Parts: sequence; C-alpha cells; structure tokens
Amino acid sequence: EDQVTQSPEALRLQEGESSSLNCSYTVSGLRGLFWYRQDPGKGPEFLFTLYSAGEEKEKERLKATLTKKESFLHITAPKPEDSATYLCAVGDILTGGGNKLTFGTGTQLKVEL
Amino acid sequence: NAGVTQTPKFQVLKTGQSMTLQCAQDMNHEYMSWYRQDPGMGLRLIHYSVGAGITDQGEVPNGYNVSRSTTEDFPLRLLSAAPSQTSVYFCASSDREGQPQHFGDGTRLSIL
Repeated sequence: EDQVTQSPEALRLQEGESSSLNCSYTVSGLRGLFWYRQDPGKGPEFLFTLYSAGEEKEKERLKATLTKKESFLHITAPKPEDSATYLCAVGDILTGGGNKLTFGTGTQLKVEL
Repeated sequence: NAGVTQTPKFQVLKTGQSMTLQCAQDMNHEYMSWYRQDPGMGLRLIHYSVGAGITDQGEVPNGYNVSRSTTEDFPLRLLSAAPSQTSVYFCASSDREGQPQHFGDGTRLSIL
C-alpha cells in the first residue's frame, strides 16, 4: 500500500528565512510525485510534478527535488503570501485505468513579518 | 476559465437524508475523481471515472454512488447520509494518466 509522510506538520518562519519541507514515500510503482498548495477554504492548487530521481523544478521562491525515497520542497526567502498548507502526493495507475493520488497530511506553513 | 466547479459550497443534512454533490469541468478532461478530506488525514479517493459511462471504486466508496453520463459532469450521490460522512469533498480532473489533477474548491458537508 502506498504511503506518504510529510514533515514537519507545522512550520513557522520569519520573512526571508529559508527552509525545506519533507515528503517521504513508499510506493510500488511511482507515477509522479506531486506538490500542491492549499489555502484555507480552497481546493489544492497544483505546483509541481516530478517523475524521476534527480529531477528538480522551480517556480518563483519554490524548488522541488526528488530522490528514490523522498522529495523536498525548498522555500527560499519566503514572504507572508507563501503561508499555506503544502500537500505532497504520489501518483499511481489504477487497475481500471485512471489516476490515483495518495496524499500526505500536509505541512502548514506560516510566514511572519 | 472556470476549471473544476463544485456546487453547493456548503450543505447541512440530517442523518438519513440523501443528496447529490455536483462537479463540472470545462477542460475536456477524460479522468475525474472524488476525494474527501478529513482533519489529520490525507485526501482519500472515493470514486473515479476514466471517461463517460465508466466509473470505479476508490479507497473509501461505501455510502456513495457516482455516474458519468457526459465528459463534463461527475456527480457524487450520498444515498443515506451518516455523521461519518461529515467532511470536505473535492472533485478533480486530469487529461490523462500520470498528469496533474486539477481540483475544485470543495463542498463542505455537515451531517447532524
């Protein structure tokens, strides 16, 4: 059974204080590692997909990396608007076709002035 | 540029009532899914569809039905609501396997 564990559960940073969020996973056959951002009262918003170990992707202050066992979301010089819950999910192909995402419970990030 | 639209945004039901949560997407995506999100747990897959007329069960399907008569719409039916179904429900779509799923903003459902 696919499992995804995210750490820390919550993180409080000062504006400009860089840090990393961790996502460790066990999966029989990885079909993508997905990062999402979720704001209160909203649905998950897609950020990145990583498909193979060594792959990296960047978007503004965010950079996602992938190894065979875990993924990191690095946040460089964060701003208050980066405050959100960040979700990690692993993709798998269902027996009948189609996609299944197995989600972690998320890291709640708060960036303060 | 609506993406995935879910209605209603909020709903309160009494135990034993039935209702349908609506989901529509305008991206011509073949794959659609329903997830529920509960405190302390990751989103869990309820039902999914790989195209019109084709549906299957996910991880937590009991108490829910789905149908897919068109590419655009994928409604979720609660047959006889129970307090354990109090949750936030998200609909998602993607254009093919392995591609990112795009989510709606959810329906917040309380069952008394």
